[in-house]
Amino acid sequence: RKEVEQDPGPFNVPEGATVAFNCTYSNSASQSFFWYRQDCRKEPKLLMSVYSSGNEDGRFTAQLNRASQYISLLIRDSKLSDSATYLCVVNGQAGTALIFGKGTTLSVSS
Amino acid sequence: GAGVSQSPSNKVTEKGKDVELRCDPISGHTALYWYRQSLGQGLEFLIYFQGNSAPDKSGLPSDRFSAERTGGSVSTLTIQRTQQEDSAVYLCASSIGLAGGDTQYFGPGTRLTVL
Repeated sequence: RKEVEQDPGPFNVPEGATVAFNCTYSNSASQSFFWYRQDCRKEPKLLMSVYSSGNEDGRFTAQLNRASQYISLLIRDSKLSDSATYLCVVNGQAGTALIFGKGTTLSVSS
Repeated sequence: GAGVSQSPSNKVTEKGKDVELRCDPISGHTALYWYRQSLGQGLEFLIYFQGNSAPDKSGLPSDRFSAERTGGSVSTLTIQRTQQEDSAVYLCASSIGLAGGDTQYFGPGTRLTVL
């Protein structure tokens, strides 16, 4: 099982749609979880951290299910500018680097 | 404020040559990471520096790859005897350094093309 797995997509949705991405991770000892966004030919940038109780930032909601070892990202009212690749990120063993999933590509069309 | 910077932004080299890629992390960040990303692929972890600890080199793909971090700040990734499969974008990131679980801030990357 890969350490962090994501559905690569692409997810093609119209403006205004709600879209959800899921991610699973293999290390049950992981403590830190993030969603990063990467635009085409750009570097990844932090979208939001994921907290155990779930958290929301505007149109974006992140949830963590430790028992099932999965993380989700919900985007409501999609905008054209949301088109990007969304990377699920989990910390590895203590004192080591974060582990990135391969990303899920979202394309929002008008 | 100043983010992570990398140089050069683009590098074209011939197979067999050595290259050096530079990363300037955010001031005060004790952790520094190198990744590479091939076209259409995810990020591949290469090496991780945390303060004065021995670096985690577990991601380096071969002994042609090495990295150093001088004075706890600037880092240089060196690829010796480059091969065509080394062509990729090499990304550097830094973080405050909380046991590997804190937010990483990425530089714009160096696009390496090996002919």
